[in-house]
Amino acid sequence: ELKVEQNPLFLSMQEGKNYTIYCNYSTTSDRLYWYRQDPGKSLESLFVLLSNGAVKQEGRLMASLDTKARLSTLHITAAVHDLSATYFCAVDKENSGNTPLVFGKGTRLSVIA
Amino acid sequence: DTEVTQTPKHLVMGMTNKKSLKCEQHMGHRAMYWYKQKAKKPPELMFVYSYEKLSINESVPSRFSPECPNSSLLNLHLHALQPEDSALYLCASSLRTGTGFGYSPLHFGNGTRLTVT
Repeated sequence: ELKVEQNPLFLSMQEGKNYTIYCNYSTTSDRLYWYRQDPGKSLESLFVLLSNGAVKQEGRLMASLDTKARLSTLHITAAVHDLSATYFCAVDKENSGNTPLVFGKGTRLSVIA
Repeated sequence: DTEVTQTPKHLVMGMTNKKSLKCEQHMGHRAMYWYKQKAKKPPELMFVYSYEKLSINESVPSRFSPECPNSSLLNLHLHALQPEDSALYLCASSLRTGTGFGYSPLHFGNGTRLTVT
C-alpha cells in the first residue's frame, strides 16, 4: 500500500525565516506533486516534479525530488504572511502518471510577524 | 478561476433526503474523479471515471452513487447520508488515465461543502 508521509504537520514560522517541509513516500514513483490549500478553498497546484533530481522554483517556494531516497522537499525562503496555508504533497497511486493521487496528511503553515 | 465547475457550493441535507452534486468541465478531459475531504485532513479518493466508465471505486458506501452521463459531466447522487459524511467534496479531471499516455495533471474544482443534519 502506498504511503505518503509529510513532516512537520504543523509549522509556525516567523516572517523572513527559512524552512523546509519534507515528503516521504513508500513506492517507486517518479512523479510527485505539491498543492496548496487555503481554508475552505480547493487545491491549487504548485509544482509537478517528474524526474529524479527535478527542482522547481516559484517565488519564495522551491521544490525538489530525490526518487532514490523517495523524498521531496518544499523549501520556503524568507517567509511572508501570504504563504500561510496547508501544503500537501501527493504521489500517483500506481506510478503511471495518470492515476489517482494519494495525498500526504498536509503541513499547516502559519507565518507570523 | 478553476476550469472545473462544481455545484452547489454549499449543501445542507437531512439524513432522509436525496440530493446530487454536479461537476462539469469543458477541457476535453476523459478522466474524472470524486474526492472527499474532511476538515484538516487530506483528500481521499472515492471514485474514478475513465472514458465515462467507472474504473475505481474505493469501497465507498452505496449511499454515494456516482454517475457520468457524458465526458463533460460527473454527478454524485446522495441518499440516506449520515452526519459523518459531512465534508468538502472535490471533483477533479485529467486528460486521461492509464499508462503509456504521458503525464496528465489533475485539475480540481472548488468543491461542494456538504453538511448532513
